[in-house]
Amino acid sequence: GAGVSQSPSNKVTEKGKDVELRCDPISGHTALYWYRQSLGQGLEFLIYFQGNSAPDKSGLPSDRFSAERTGGSVSTLTIQRTQQEDSAVYLCASSQGPAQAKNIQYFGAGTRLSVL
Amino acid sequence: AQSVTQLGSHVSVSEGALVLLRCNYSSSVPPYLFWYVQYPNQGLQLLLKYTTGATLVKGINGFEAEFKKSETSFHLTKPSAHMSDAAEYFCAVSGKSGGSNYKLTFGKGTLLTVNP
Repeated sequence: GAGVSQSPSNKVTEKGKDVELRCDPISGHTALYWYRQSLGQGLEFLIYFQGNSAPDKSGLPSDRFSAERTGGSVSTLTIQRTQQEDSAVYLCASSQGPAQAKNIQYFGAGTRLSVL
Repeated sequence: AQSVTQLGSHVSVSEGALVLLRCNYSSSVPPYLFWYVQYPNQGLQLLLKYTTGATLVKGINGFEAEFKKSETSFHLTKPSAHMSDAAEYFCAVSGKSGGSNYKLTFGKGTLLTVNP
C-alpha cells in the first residue's frame, strides 16, 4: 500500500486479556518503529526493528509487552494481561533504510487501545 | 539524554494571523530536529526537518522553522494561519550518532486552534 497500515484502528478489551496489534510498513522500508501515545506520557518510543538485526527493545515498559517482525515486513505488538494503564494509541512508523536520523519516519494512523 | 520542551500546550490564533509554536531542546550536542503535525484520528505527518546546513528550514503547507543553536530552539512559524492548520503539532529530536540515533524524542505537543 501507499502508507503504513495499522489494524485494528480501535480495540476495546477487558483487563487481563491479551491483545495483538498489527503494522504493515511501507513496501521496501527496512526499519520499523513502535511508539505509544498516551495522555499522561505523550509520545514514547517502544521498539525498533532494522532488517535482521536484533531489535532495540529498550522502550518496552514491561515484560508484558513484546513485538516481532516476520519476514522483515509485518510487525505485531503483543500486550499480555492488559492493564488499564495500557490504554493509549499505539503508533507504528517505518523508514527507508538503516537507522539514520535523516531517514524520515512515516507513521500509520495508529491503534487506539481501550482497556476496561 | 535528550529532551524537548514545547511551550504552550494550546495556542489559539485568528485566521490570517501569525502562527508561532515554540520548541526548545536539551542535548549534549545539537541533534537533528523535526516538526510533525497530527490531524484528528490520523498519524503523524512530517512538516519539516533540520539536519545540517541552512538553519532556516521550509516545510510543507507554508510552515518554516529556524534552528538557533545559541538558544537551543527550533520554533515553528507560518505567516498567515488557515483554518486547515488546526491540528496538534509535535517537535521531536534525534541524535546524530551513537547507538540510538534513530529514536525520536517528542515534546508533549501543542494544539493549534484557528478561529474564523
